[in-house]
Amino acid sequence: EDQVTQSPEALRLQEGESSSLNCSYTVSGLRGLFWYRQDPGKGPEFLFTLYSAGEEKEKERLKATLTKKESFLHITAPKPEDSATYLCAVQGVTGTASKLTFGTGTRLQVTL
Amino acid sequence: SQTIHQWPATLVQPVGSPLSLECTVEGTSNPNLYWYRQAAGRGLQLLFYSVGIGQISSEVPQNLSASRPQDRQFILSSKKLLLSDSGFYLCAWGEGLGNQPQHFGDGTRLSIL
Repeated sequence: EDQVTQSPEALRLQEGESSSLNCSYTVSGLRGLFWYRQDPGKGPEFLFTLYSAGEEKEKERLKATLTKKESFLHITAPKPEDSATYLCAVQGVTGTASKLTFGTGTRLQVTL
Repeated sequence: SQTIHQWPATLVQPVGSPLSLECTVEGTSNPNLYWYRQAAGRGLQLLFYSVGIGQISSEVPQNLSASRPQDRQFILSSKKLLLSDSGFYLCAWGEGLGNQPQHFGDGTRLSIL
């Protein structure tokens, strides 16, 4: 069974204070690892897909990296508008219909 | 571009009443469609998925059912709601091929009284 563990559960940063969120996973064979951002009361918004170890993706202040056991979401010089819950999900080679297994997320708060 | 619509945004229902939540997708054909439930402090739990009209797969046994009467329409239903059905329900679509991301609607907050 695929499993995803995210840490920390919550993170509070000051504006400009860079940090990283962790997503550890176990999967029979990785088809893809996905990062989402979720604002309160809204659905998750897709950020990145990573397919193989060593791959990196960037978008504004966010950079996602992938190893064989974990992924990191690096946040450089965050701003208050980056405050949200960040979700990680994996898709393994077993199962059908592109099933995703989600972690419980990291709740990020960026203060002035 | 593709868009996904879910309604209603919030719903308050008494125990034992029926339920119908609707989700439609625009701008794509033959998508995979998904219903998730998100509980506080827990990851998204996949309830149902569909790879085509009339094709429904259930991931967990429960009081709910799903139907796909049209290619881009997905409906979540219940004949009699339980208190435990309260939660945040999310619809998502994805491309038919593997390793593609899913895209979510803005969800329905369901409260059972």
